[in-house]
Amino acid sequence: AQSVAQPEDQVNVAEGNPLTVKCTYSVSGNPYLFWYVQYPNRGLQFLLKYITGDNLVKGSYGFEAEFNKSQTSFHLKKPSALVSDSALYFCAGDREDTGFQKLVFGTGTRLLVSP
Amino acid sequence: SAVISQKPSRDICQRGTSLTIQCQVDSQVTMMFWYRQQPGQSLTLIATANQGSEATYESGFVIDKFPISRPNLTFSTLTVSNMSPEDSSIYLCSAAGGGSKRDTQYFGPGTRLTVL
Repeated sequence: AQSVAQPEDQVNVAEGNPLTVKCTYSVSGNPYLFWYVQYPNRGLQFLLKYITGDNLVKGSYGFEAEFNKSQTSFHLKKPSALVSDSALYFCAGDREDTGFQKLVFGTGTRLLVSP
Repeated sequence: SAVISQKPSRDICQRGTSLTIQCQVDSQVTMMFWYRQQPGQSLTLIATANQGSEATYESGFVIDKFPISRPNLTFSTLTVSNMSPEDSSIYLCSAAGGGSKRDTQYFGPGTRLTVL
């Protein structure tokens, strides 16, 4: 992806409710897309990635993401949010200008899950 | 998955000094990268650390300011030279096992740098 956008700075959801964190991308070819999570004072932890195949990708901690080519989106989802899911979430895509992987990151979305 | 450690985890430095950050991976990896995360911002790629050759820098980053070494397939260092308060950021190292676009990059815990 040449660019990745996360349109929401913050998402608020109540514990137990489903959550969605949005991501859109721009690319002229086949995208490679990733989701990472960052907890306070921690590095980035890998959640899941889309390379090819099934549009619904399952990842760590019960998260999944749906790749939608027509809408150029890769939204992160979880059926039932936990307070411990509160963190900063980054969508990333592979840049197309190199033969090996180089990631471009979205601006991040802060997820707040209330008890 | 690769486990990545960084040293130091944080530091407070004076203007005009330099700091070297170390990144250690628990297994041999093809690709290693250095990122900067300015306060409240996203990650920006500084450079790709190439084993046995000069690093490849992104636009806006230069070797004189951010010299990088990668002596082997498990270790890299980033130096932030002649620091100013604008260099206050979190610096993250990442690694990917292979050279494929399909690979997953794993990140270290970051080094939080404050420049006074």
